[in-house]
Amino acid sequence: DAGVTQSPTHLIKTRGQQVTLRCSPKSGHDTVSWYQQALGQGPQFIFQYYEEEERQRGNFPDRFSGHQFPNYSSELNVNALLLGDSALYLCASSNGRFAWPQHFGDGTRLSIL
Amino acid sequence: DQQVKQNSPSLSVQEGRISILNCDYTNSMFDYFLWYKKYPAEGPTFLISISSIKDKNEDGRFTVFLNKSAKHLSLHIVPSQPGDSAVYFCAASDTGNQFYFGTGTSLTVIP
Repeated sequence: DAGVTQSPTHLIKTRGQQVTLRCSPKSGHDTVSWYQQALGQGPQFIFQYYEEEERQRGNFPDRFSGHQFPNYSSELNVNALLLGDSALYLCASSNGRFAWPQHFGDGTRLSIL
Repeated sequence: DQQVKQNSPSLSVQEGRISILNCDYTNSMFDYFLWYKKYPAEGPTFLISISSIKDKNEDGRFTVFLNKSAKHLSLHIVPSQPGDSAVYFCAASDTGNQFYFGTGTSLTVIP
């Protein structure tokens, strides 16, 4: 039973570039949430996708956008990268109307130079 | 504005003893609470949950207590084992969708 998988594991970009991160949810899950975790902090909610639509969004600028595909996998896109976007990006999946508890992947470490 | 706080950055406990990790929150609308364990280079692993209709939930060595009037929850691990050494995060939500996380407590269990 595959858990949540994220790709790539690590990524290095420069300021101003754009990046796409990918997530496949745990088998049987249909809801995907994205979190940003800065060093020494807890994860911060970016947004959640359910039935291919953004269901809820945290306090992140429009540079952060996402998509969910019919197979429930999801992408996180970040445009015009800033140094402050350097972080661990975590994807979590859950099932159905009540999207808890959420199960996390191992994350993508994004470094901005 | 940190809505979920874990005021102890670290905790050391002897193997076999009880570990108590604490978490406070400010939003009285929070009804769903989760605890996660995180090892280095891995994503958080779900441990145990509780909703506001209960004040205690138990799963093996892990018990979570919720005090809604004090806006406080705690995770008890009994007995503590060296493999429990990790960073523990509490998380809370009003909708069950967007979860707010604390900054974590690093637990070290000494053999």
